[in-house]
Amino acid sequence: GQNIDQPTEMTATEGAIVQINCTYQTSGFNGLFWYQQHAGEAPTFLSYNVLDGLEEKGRFSSFLSRSKGYSYLLLKELQMKDSASYLCAVRAFRDYKLSFGAGTTVTVRA
Amino acid sequence: EPEVTQTPSHQVTQMGQEVILRCVPISNHLYFYWYRQILGQKVEFLVSFYNNEISEKSEIFDDQFSVERPDGSNFTLKIRSTKLEDSAMYFCASSENKGLIYEQYFGPGTRLTVT
Repeated sequence: GQNIDQPTEMTATEGAIVQINCTYQTSGFNGLFWYQQHAGEAPTFLSYNVLDGLEEKGRFSSFLSRSKGYSYLLLKELQMKDSASYLCAVRAFRDYKLSFGAGTTVTVRA
Repeated sequence: EPEVTQTPSHQVTQMGQEVILRCVPISNHLYFYWYRQILGQKVEFLVSFYNNEISEKSEIFDDQFSVERPDGSNFTLKIRSTKLEDSAMYFCASSENKGLIYEQYFGPGTRLTVT
């Protein structure tokens, strides 16, 4: 099975940068995904990493270190609309499913 | 932009009743999934479906649950005899492929309330 840990809550100021860490343990790794979920809504895909390194997508970047079982999502130039839960999800080798962490609630303050 | 749709958005049912949750995946996608999220908890995998059969299921997906693709567009989740603990948001998702680079797209969800 998978064990996925991420902080419960983070608070940051509008315009700032926030880094959300995720550590995982899995029997065979086949990709790490980040999703954004606003309250009462569906998760929406942000990024994925399958190889080590940094993937950049506009204001969002995601990093992966497979040897450390570690990823982070970096949110730059924070906006009020970025207030949401950010979910780290892992796919294990030969699995179809995504295994989700509990999510990190980010609150952006003016 | 194509999207996954789900109906109804909210379903209230009494304990012991059967419910069917409906989903229309993105049209060229081949892999379909159901997840659920109990209020305040993490998203949990229920089942995946490919080529008209279940490809993987979790321990939550017991004999009370079933899935079906009755036609070329719909994908349904049936709960035969609902329990109070089945109250949750149920998300349908689809992907083009199970491979590395094909992300899963989620529908807006059906909020199921069992009374």
